Amino acid sequence: GNSVTQMEGPVTLSEEAFLTINCTYTATGYPSLFWYVQYPGEGLQLLLKATKADDKGSNKGFEATYRKETTSFHLEKGSVQVSDSAVYFCALNSGGYQKVTFGIGTKLQVIP
Amino acid sequence: GAGVSQSPSNKVTEKGKDVELRCDPISGHTALYWYRQSLGQGLEFLIYFQGNSAPDKSGLPSDRFSAERTGGSVSTLTIQRTQQEDSAVYLCASTLDRGRSGELFFGEGSRLTVL
Repeated sequence: GNSVTQMEGPVTLSEEAFLTINCTYTATGYPSLFWYVQYPGEGLQLLLKATKADDKGSNKGFEATYRKETTSFHLEKGSVQVSDSAVYFCALNSGGYQKVTFGIGTKLQVIP
Repeated sequence: GAGVSQSPSNKVTEKGKDVELRCDPISGHTALYWYRQSLGQGLEFLIYFQGNSAPDKSGLPSDRFSAERTGGSVSTLTIQRTQQEDSAVYLCASTLDRGRSGELFFGEGSRLTVL
């Protein structure tokens, strides 16, 4: 079955530091890959996505590249801000009558 | 409203009682998901509806859990004879796109506490 593995965290960074949150996956077929973000006290919302190999998703300064050869979709940001403090979830969707599979979530705390 | 609406937002109940959690998806969204979010456990899939049918209910933890969806819209998750380990945030999400590229739209969740 499908699965998503991501670092558990928490990750604590100083403001303006470089961020990487690793995500690897196991899936049948050609899934789409997603990063969702959950800010404190809010529901999950889509941050970015990529639907095929070598696609790069980007939003709000965050980027992730769909790497089929390494089955990875690592999230990166060059300079984090305090407002980026949240829980980040990697997810995949194989489509059809398939559930969307989420990773365990990585809590990011950015300190001034 | 325009988003996914869940109720109640908070529910405290005694062990052994039944609870019902409601999800009102975005109008027109055909697919609806229930997930459970527990501390340190990430998002645990419970059940998926396409229209009124549930092609995948593999995540329901026990026969105390059931869900239904009527009219292709509102869904109710029912937990019978609640146990303390049922305490969690129950999240509902909907999407228009049954395909693999569709974005899920989440509600803010129903926090269940079983005493």
